[in-house]
Amino acid sequence: KAGVTQTPRYLIKTRGQQVTLSCSPISGHRSVSWYQQTPGQGLQFLFEYFSETQRNKGNFPGRFSGRQFSNSRSEMNVSTLELGDSALYLCASSPLRGGSHGELFFGEGSRLTVL
Amino acid sequence: DQQVKQNSPSLSVQEGRISILNCDYTNSMFDYFLWYKKYPAEGPTFLISISSIKDKNEDGRFTVFLNKSAKHLSLHIVPSQPGDSAVYFCAASAGSSNTGKLIFGQGTTLQVKP
Repeated sequence: KAGVTQTPRYLIKTRGQQVTLSCSPISGHRSVSWYQQTPGQGLQFLFEYFSETQRNKGNFPGRFSGRQFSNSRSEMNVSTLELGDSALYLCASSPLRGGSHGELFFGEGSRLTVL
Repeated sequence: DQQVKQNSPSLSVQEGRISILNCDYTNSMFDYFLWYKKYPAEGPTFLISISSIKDKNEDGRFTVFLNKSAKHLSLHIVPSQPGDSAVYFCAASAGSSNTGKLIFGQGTTLQVKP
């Protein structure tokens, strides 16, 4: 069974640009969550989607947005990039709306560098 | 306000000995707790979890203990192996509608020396 797939794995952008990251969950998983990992702040929750609907949102500015498609694939977008957006962006999927006791399955992440 | 805290950034133990990783939380609404392991350049991997209605859960070499009155949980690894060297994160969630929203601690880097 294929795991969570995130693309691209690495990317470099400049301040002011926007970026779109993609996540394909494990087959059959309908819930997708996104997290940002930075050295200073650790792993922080961005948002969660289930059945194309945002279920939860973390404390991030409106520049961070996401969506989920009917096949459960998800994208997140960051507009007007800032230097502080440099981070590892992790996508996680789970099989049920409520999660399987919170057991999320993570992808390898997309490493974003903003210059 | 950091709701989940791992106060020890690093821990070093000898192979075969016990590793104890600690985690404290402040939010009494948390009802499910998890431990994840992360190697460099990989996503976190689920290790073990515990519901707030229990005080212990065991899976092979890994045991998690929960002390609700102290708002403290710990992960015991016995015996420790060099392959256990990684960053360990504890995480918590509150309510069945928030299981996709995990609050993570800052992580503890475990080094197991041969």
